[in-house]
Amino acid sequence: AQKVTQAQTEISVVEKEDVTLDCVYETRDTTYYLFWYKQPPSGELVFLIRRNSFDEQNEISGRYSWNFQKSTSSFNFTITASQVVDSAVYFCALRGGTGRRALTFGSGTRLQVQP
Amino acid sequence: AAGVIQSPRHLIKEKRETATLKCYPIPRHDTVYWYQQGPGQDPQFLISFYEKMQSDKGSIPDRFSAQQFSDYHSELNMSSLELGDSALYFCASEDRGRLRSTGELFFGEGSRLTVL
Repeated sequence: AQKVTQAQTEISVVEKEDVTLDCVYETRDTTYYLFWYKQPPSGELVFLIRRNSFDEQNEISGRYSWNFQKSTSSFNFTITASQVVDSAVYFCALRGGTGRRALTFGSGTRLQVQP
Repeated sequence: AAGVIQSPRHLIKEKRETATLKCYPIPRHDTVYWYQQGPGQDPQFLISFYEKMQSDKGSIPDRFSAQQFSDYHSELNMSSLELGDSALYFCASEDRGRLRSTGELFFGEGSRLTVL
């Protein structure tokens, strides 16, 4: 079975602070994909990043960066110099390379960035 | 570029009524997934179709049914609606049949169902 755990239910920071959202996953698949999605108050799911299990290279995209560590089954997401517009619910998700191909989502982390 | 289209975007129904949600995948995508997201919850997988056949089943209630048509669009039919069915319903599509599938799902903007 696949499982994604986002232990942080809600995080509140002040603008310009850095914030890291944690994600821990469980899977028996040797090939799998990890995702992060942002869900603003308007409700749509905004794709942020996809990472393959065989690519542990960390990635940076502007103020966003992701740290993928297979040894600890973690795929953490850091926002540098947070902004009010970053306020949203962030979901980490996992899908296997075989068998069930549907995404398994974590419970989400609500990020509130205060001005 | 064309995205996943869901209709209607908003729907209000009474208890015990029926509702139908539609999903039009990205052109040439052969796989459709349906998700249900209750208030304050994470999206839960309901059902998926690949090449017009059901490929996987998640936590879809027996009162719900779905299918994928010859043009690859999909419909989710919900009957005997209950208050607890009020949720945001997402459809996602994927180009699974091609060898170079990237593993990425493309989500629609969702259909918000309110059951009164």
